[in-house]
Amino acid sequence: AQTVTQSQPEMSVQEAETVTLSCTYDTSENNYYLFWYKQPPSRQMILVIRQEAYKQQNATENRFSVNFQKAAKSFSLKISDSQLGDTAMYFCASSGEIQGAQKLVFGQGTRLTINP
Amino acid sequence: EAQVTQNPRYLITVTGKKLTVTCSQNMNHEYMSWYRQDPGLGLRQIYYSMNVEVTDKGDVPEGYKVSRKEKRNFPLILESPSPNQTSLYFCASSLSGTVSSYEQYFGPGTRLTVT
Repeated sequence: AQTVTQSQPEMSVQEAETVTLSCTYDTSENNYYLFWYKQPPSRQMILVIRQEAYKQQNATENRFSVNFQKAAKSFSLKISDSQLGDTAMYFCASSGEIQGAQKLVFGQGTRLTINP
Repeated sequence: EAQVTQNPRYLITVTGKKLTVTCSQNMNHEYMSWYRQDPGLGLRQIYYSMNVEVTDKGDVPEGYKVSRKEKRNFPLILESPSPNQTSLYFCASSLSGTVSSYEQYFGPGTRLTVT
């Protein structure tokens, strides 16, 4: 079974600061993928970044980067130079195959507030 | 524009009154799925469909039904809604249900309140 845990229900930082959101996961899959989704107040789910588990190199998308520690089953998201538009709920998710079907499992979410 | 659409976006109903939330995608995706989002629980899968006429239960299927008669549509049916089904519902689609790397594209969400 896949599980994803986000232990920080809420976080708050000042604009332009760097913030790191934590995520741990558990899976019995050998081939899996990890994602961070952003959900702004509009409620739309937006893919922020994706990491293939077989790749050691950490994924980066502009101001967003991850710290993927496979042995520790940790997948944190770092947001550099945070902006007001980064205010949102962030969900960590893992994707694997269960009985031949794609399975996406989400964490509980972290509500991030960027203060001016 | 490639997208997943859901209707209605907001719905307030009463216990026991059957309702359907529609979901449609225009990307020719094979895989579609329904999730519900509740505070502190994240998103949990209700049902999914690998292709037309192929559906299966997710993690929280009780009280819900689905059908996949056409590739583009995947309606969620609540035959006798109860207050514990008050939630935010998302439909999602993906190119293939057998490849876990494929991104899932989400609809805008439906806020359902059952009184």
